[in-house]
Amino acid sequence: AQTVTQSQPEMSVQEAETVTLSCTYDTSESDYYLFWYKQPPSRQMILVIRQEAYKQQNATENRFSVNFQKAAKSFSLKISDSQLGDAAMYFCACGGSNYQLIWGAGTKLIIKP
Amino acid sequence: ETGVTQTPRHLVMGMTNKKSLKCEQHLGHNAMYWYKQSAKKPLELMFVYSLEERVENNSVPSRFSPECPNSSHLFLHLHTLQPEDSALYLCASSQVTGHSGNTIYFGEGSWLTVV
Repeated sequence: AQTVTQSQPEMSVQEAETVTLSCTYDTSESDYYLFWYKQPPSRQMILVIRQEAYKQQNATENRFSVNFQKAAKSFSLKISDSQLGDAAMYFCACGGSNYQLIWGAGTKLIIKP
Repeated sequence: ETGVTQTPRHLVMGMTNKKSLKCEQHLGHNAMYWYKQSAKKPLELMFVYSLEERVENNSVPSRFSPECPNSSHLFLHLHTLQPEDSALYLCASSQVTGHSGNTIYFGEGSWLTVV
């Protein structure tokens, strides 16, 4: 069975600084996908970044990057130059050969001005 | 503006009521999903429709009844709910390719309160 664990219920960071959100996962699938989604107070969940497990190169999207450690089953999200608009719940998810995405419980990110 | 629209945004219903949640996607996707989001818990997948056929039903109680009349519309019919069913219900869509690697696009959710 797949599991996703986000060990930080809440994180805070000063505006313009860098923060890393942790995610560990467990899966028996050899081919799988990892995601970070963001859910701001408006409640609409949006994709932040996506990683295909067979790709060794870490995914990057502007100020967002991941540190994908396949052997350790770790998939952390780094946010550089944090902005007030980054304040949200961040969810890590893992998916494999079926339609099921397994989700973590989320990390609330607070940005201090 | 979102490609996935949910109505109503807020719903309060009694335990004996019958109501429905509606979802419409404008992205040309062929898979649609209902998720339940409760406080401090991971998202729970309730139903998946692919090409208008239900392909996954994660042991959801029968008081929740989905309907997918076409690839753009998805309903969740609610009847005789319990207070523990109060949650945010998220609709989502994606392009189906037989695995979960495609990006899922979510609506803004319907807040359901059962009294």
